[in-house]
Amino acid sequence: ETGVTQTPRHLVMGMTNKKSLKCEQHLGHNAMYWYKQSAKKPLELMFVYNFKEQTENNSVPSRFSPECPNSSHLFLHLHTLQPEDSALYLCASSPGGQGTEAFFGQGTRLTVV
Amino acid sequence: GQNIDQPTEMTATEGAIVQINCTYQTSGFNGLFWYQQHAGEAPTFLSYNVLDGLEEKGRFSSFLSRSKGYSYLLLKELQMKDSASYLCAVRENTGNQFYFGTGTSLTVIP
Repeated sequence: ETGVTQTPRHLVMGMTNKKSLKCEQHLGHNAMYWYKQSAKKPLELMFVYNFKEQTENNSVPSRFSPECPNSSHLFLHLHTLQPEDSALYLCASSPGGQGTEAFFGQGTRLTVV
Repeated sequence: GQNIDQPTEMTATEGAIVQINCTYQTSGFNGLFWYQQHAGEAPTFLSYNVLDGLEEKGRFSSFLSRSKGYSYLLLKELQMKDSASYLCAVRENTGNQFYFGTGTSLTVIP
């Protein structure tokens, strides 16, 4: 248990659906992240929020839309996804200071059909 | 940018020592991290290096050479439960980003 909670744990959606992934941390961390993990590929950094401000958008398609309403919550809104978007989506948070590691949630296993 | 390279797979024997290497190129280095990830689980933090040298934490040690862009994770007295993927990550100082390698899948055999 890392203190970072993601819901849902599993999600199956059609290509025309709209769904949202949720991430929550009450660790007092200032930075939050979305990563995509596909088989045989590195963890891909998608978005970074520092103090609720988006500071990184790593060339992510617009069908993925992040939202950070406060420093404890992070959402990833999904719409018109493609089958190749099926992956494990991991949320992480970190305090943001020197030498502080990122803490990961358990991830949402997304399958696009 | 970041180019983080690790071997894809390694196999080692229970009770032995294994070294997992990681090389990286980054524009603004602010620390190197090692994570362990068991199948179906979240990555968990193992170790951190920001200065050159060796950091030891029980059975796990990590080494960093910034001039060479090189790190390794050393696992001693291997146990079956150490079978997992080991991820090398570099943190950049420009915006708090963590960039990961592909991970090394370690299999410990009896």
